[in-house]
Parts: sequence; C-alpha cells; structure tokens
Amino acid sequence: EAQVTQNPRYLITVTGKKLTVTCSQNMNHEYMSWYRQDPGLGLRQIYYSMNVEVTDKGDVPEGYKVSRKEKRNFPLILESPSPNQTSLYFCASSLSRSSYNSPLHFGNGTRLTVT
Amino acid sequence: KNQVEQSPQSLIILEGKNCTLQCNYTVSPFSNLRWYKQDTGRGPVSLTIMTFSENTKSNGRYTATLDADTKQSSLHITASQLSDSASYICVVTGSGGGADGLTFGKGTHLIIQP
Repeated sequence: EAQVTQNPRYLITVTGKKLTVTCSQNMNHEYMSWYRQDPGLGLRQIYYSMNVEVTDKGDVPEGYKVSRKEKRNFPLILESPSPNQTSLYFCASSLSRSSYNSPLHFGNGTRLTVT
Repeated sequence: KNQVEQSPQSLIILEGKNCTLQCNYTVSPFSNLRWYKQDTGRGPVSLTIMTFSENTKSNGRYTATLDADTKQSSLHITASQLSDSASYICVVTGSGGGADGLTFGKGTHLIIQP
C-alpha cells in the first residue's frame, strides 16, 4: 500500500531532550516536506526537500533540523525541544512539487508535547 | 506577500444540506489549486485539483470551481453527510508562493449535525 509513515504517533518529552521523528514513504517520491499544525494557524511548513541531499527552509525552520540521505526517508530532528514546539506534526511527499498528477500524500501525524 | 484566505473559518450545517466553502488567493504566477480534506486526527487527503484552464471539477458530491481572473475558488458540497465533518484546506501552487511555491490556507472547519 502506498503510504507515508510517521513515527511515533504520540510523543511526550521534556525541554532540552533531543528527539527525532521519522518519516518514510514507499512511493519513490522526490519531494518531501514537514509541517506543524497549530489551532488557528493552519499548516505551516518547517523544511522541505526537492530530492536526495537537497533540503531548504520553509516558513518556520527555527529549532528544527532535517536530513535527506535516502529518497524514502526524511527525519525531523529537534536538537533541544522547547514547550513552544508542542504541536501536531505532519510529513508529506509527492512525485514533484507542482506536478498536476502529484498531490501531497500526508502521514497520519505526530502529536508532540514538550513539558 | 502571497496569501491564501479561506472563509468561513468554521461552519455548522444540518445533514443533507448543501454548503459552499471559499478560497481567495494572491499567489502569482498561478500553477494549480488543490482542495484537501482533513479528518480529525488524520493527515489531509487531496480532493481535487484545478488548473488555470479548468472552471469546474467534480469528485462525487464535491464540486470545485475556479475563477482565475478574480483568483477565487469554491468547494461546494451537495447533500452533506456526517462523514463530511472535517477541515477543508485550499493549497495554491505557484512560483510566487511559499519557499517551495506552495501556499496553504488556514482551512475551514465544517461540522455536519444530524
């Protein structure tokens, strides 16, 4: 089944403790991206990647890191989480950024709480 | 600044009624516009895509329209069902959009009451 898999679904951590949220897609998609979703603010892009070894900042990259060493994986790293990073996170992928026949495929989200 | 504005922010209607959600954008140049449906606790799923030359497109009970001149799109839901309760997100692609050309609206939260 074609899908984007995020892990974990739920995560509670403490301030300053490094964490990684994994994202994997099995559709051979070139484009991958990370978003956070907060009430009243909608989806905001953190980082995106057009292809392997190519990553760029989105609208809210502060406090986050990503890597794209393989086409299928795009982990999100929080080196020193803070309470303002408490949010619902989504990973997404598509064949290309703007292709007509290539919608974004989203994972089911990771709800992160930083205390 | 490129923006996508959706209205209303939230909407409550009775099961079986119709409704229309609005999306206005300033992204230019325009490539395409997609509507996504996001069920509570799940990731968004694409409903339909509109390009510059398309005025209307249907997907079951969902019908999207696009007026590229006025930069407006609408999503009409016919004979609503309880399963239509969700957030609906408008996403516009263009070279003048976000860092990667994608600009997201904040969504319309739709509640269908029995």
